[in-house]
Amino acid sequence: EPEVTQTPSHQVTQMGQEVILRCVPISNHLYFYWYRQILGQKVEFLVSFYNNEISEKSEIFDDQFSVERPDGSNFTLKIRSTKLEDSAMYFCASSGAPGQLTGELFFGEGSRLTVL
Amino acid sequence: DAKTTQPNSMESNEEEPVHLPCNHSTISGTDYIHWYRQLPSQGPEYVIHGLTSNVNNRMASLAIAEDRKSSTLILHRATLRDAAVYYCILRDVRRIQGAQKLVFGQGTRLTINP
Repeated sequence: EPEVTQTPSHQVTQMGQEVILRCVPISNHLYFYWYRQILGQKVEFLVSFYNNEISEKSEIFDDQFSVERPDGSNFTLKIRSTKLEDSAMYFCASSGAPGQLTGELFFGEGSRLTVL
Repeated sequence: DAKTTQPNSMESNEEEPVHLPCNHSTISGTDYIHWYRQLPSQGPEYVIHGLTSNVNNRMASLAIAEDRKSSTLILHRATLRDAAVYYCILRDVRRIQGAQKLVFGQGTRLTINP
């Protein structure tokens, strides 16, 4: 069964460093998303992406964040200068296969980011 | 986004049925009711969705009240693997095939006792 894959599974970084989290969405999906979940808290929407541009973003997704689909398969989330409060699990998701009527989102296993 | 209300936690025994309630009194006529769950240390996964009629799939059943102001996710025979946080989410059917985000609440943490 096709799945969303994310790398790395865990990254530890120093405050102020740049981090790139990578995702390979399901190949025939059209819509891509990033979510985050701070430990013990709810899953929060960050951004959605379609047709090579951001379609919606939350207040969390400020100028420190950016997304890119550089090569038609990978979907990346970059945090330019990490802060302690960016420590969280980051989930990538995709949806929108042609003919898919449910609008179901498929999530990856997540990338845990720890900022020291 | 229309709001849903779920109990914070529920507990059940293995091999027994589980009924997870969700209230959505402000649901609009174009809102689908979706359920996702999040197993420990994993990303959320789709469980089931419905509009008006009750729905069944291999994972669960969804019972929707006649006035659509509430719904119940039914796990017919819970296993230890069903221990997860279950989220009830409303999604506008007019945008279902677009890049429509899911808005997660706190969900119901389901514990299954062996």
